[in-house]
Amino acid sequence: DTGVSQDPRHKITKRGQNVTFRCDPISEHNRLYWYRQTLGQGPEFLTYFQNEAQLEKSRLLSDRFSAERPKGSFSTLEIQRTEQGDSAMYLCASSLSGQNREQYFGPGTRLTVT
Amino acid sequence: DAKTTQPNSMESNEEEPVHLPCNHSTISGTDYIHWYRQLPSQGPEYVIHGLTSNVNNRMASLAIAEDRKSSTLILHRATLRDAAVYYCILRALNNAGNMLTFGGGTRLMVKP
Repeated sequence: DTGVSQDPRHKITKRGQNVTFRCDPISEHNRLYWYRQTLGQGPEFLTYFQNEAQLEKSRLLSDRFSAERPKGSFSTLEIQRTEQGDSAMYLCASSLSGQNREQYFGPGTRLTVT
Repeated sequence: DAKTTQPNSMESNEEEPVHLPCNHSTISGTDYIHWYRQLPSQGPEYVIHGLTSNVNNRMASLAIAEDRKSSTLILHRATLRDAAVYYCILRALNNAGNMLTFGGGTRLMVKP
């Protein structure tokens, strides 16, 4: 257990439905990251927050995806109008700010879109 | 970020040392070398990082070539729990957000 928790751990949804995932980082960590991992591939960066500010978004983050971190603590990642291509593991990580700080990853939320 | 090349898979015997190679011929002088690993059904976990000098910690050692075009992660005594995918990642100095760019990694299998 790294101290980063994600909920739910698994989600099955039908195409076109909206889904929301939650990440609770290590409490003193001001940075929070979202990554997506498909089967057999390494994780891909989606977006990150420093406190409540979303500082960077990958081109992978289409306009159907939105992430928030309202009080600089937990974060949510919402996918609207899900597509089968959204099926993946969604990983959250947190860290302190500064160069080369290690990221602590949660167990991930596995999304299956049918 | 500069690209890394790793073997797709490697095999080791339990309790023997393991040397996991990574090539990064286009590394720039300010790129840090990070290693993460991902155990089955878990998120990645940090292993070690370095810039120029060799580094040791409780998990592993990182040996960096003098020209920095390659590095090797060394597990001194592999256990079954070390079976994982190992990722070698370069982090550029201007990557202020410390975002990680994962490649395909090396899948390490440890035989009892």
